[in-house]
Amino acid sequence: GAVVSQHPSWVICKSGTSVKIECRSLDFQATTMFWYRQFPKQSLMLMATSNEGSKATYEQGVEKDKFLINHASLTLSTLTVTSAHPEDSSFYICSAFFSGGEYEQYFGPGTRLTVT
Amino acid sequence: AQKITQTQPGMFVQEKEAVTLDCTYDTSDPSYGLFWYKQPSSGEMIFLIYQGSYDQQNATEGRYSLNFQKARKSANLVISASQLGDSAMYFCAMREGPSGTSYGKLTFGQGTILTVHP
Repeated sequence: GAVVSQHPSWVICKSGTSVKIECRSLDFQATTMFWYRQFPKQSLMLMATSNEGSKATYEQGVEKDKFLINHASLTLSTLTVTSAHPEDSSFYICSAFFSGGEYEQYFGPGTRLTVT
Repeated sequence: AQKITQTQPGMFVQEKEAVTLDCTYDTSDPSYGLFWYKQPSSGEMIFLIYQGSYDQQNATEGRYSLNFQKARKSANLVISASQLGDSAMYFCAMREGPSGTSYGKLTFGQGTILTVHP
């Protein structure tokens, strides 16, 4: 149990376009999800905390207008990278908090974004 | 100040040998949790082991054990009998506050790339 999926697993987009990444909790309800960004061979950097039915809480230095987060239901959070640029190319990982689980935070498989 | 520090950017180990990956942490909260994750080249985060700050015994999960030294604020991961499939990046992470608080929000260390040689 406690499976988190992400879609797409990889995406290539042109500079200036927007791309949406979905994070779903498949077999549990997640009131809180987290979005991370990871550059090659680096650590996971928390971008924002996504709360169902309310505005996301962004970490310092993360542009709210560039990385739009919507947590519209208890099983779905989306991250939209608006007006993407090559420097936004990265690995984006979501995780979902599940209080009933043994490990609390369950990670999605990640989405690799390449902006050309 | 770094809350989680992993000082080994890379480690090498011979197959079937044991290896220790270092992790030190910094928190003033008396209740916290420490996690280790494995991230292979595919990118998925695989949970390995958990240690609660009030746990009396060191956590173990199969070939993984956590050497928890509370006074030194260290939580080193020991992998016994290394296998080629253990080659990956390993992250130490901390949750501050009791289990369930902060919705499980984690702070990660810089990571250690482990390479297992045949």
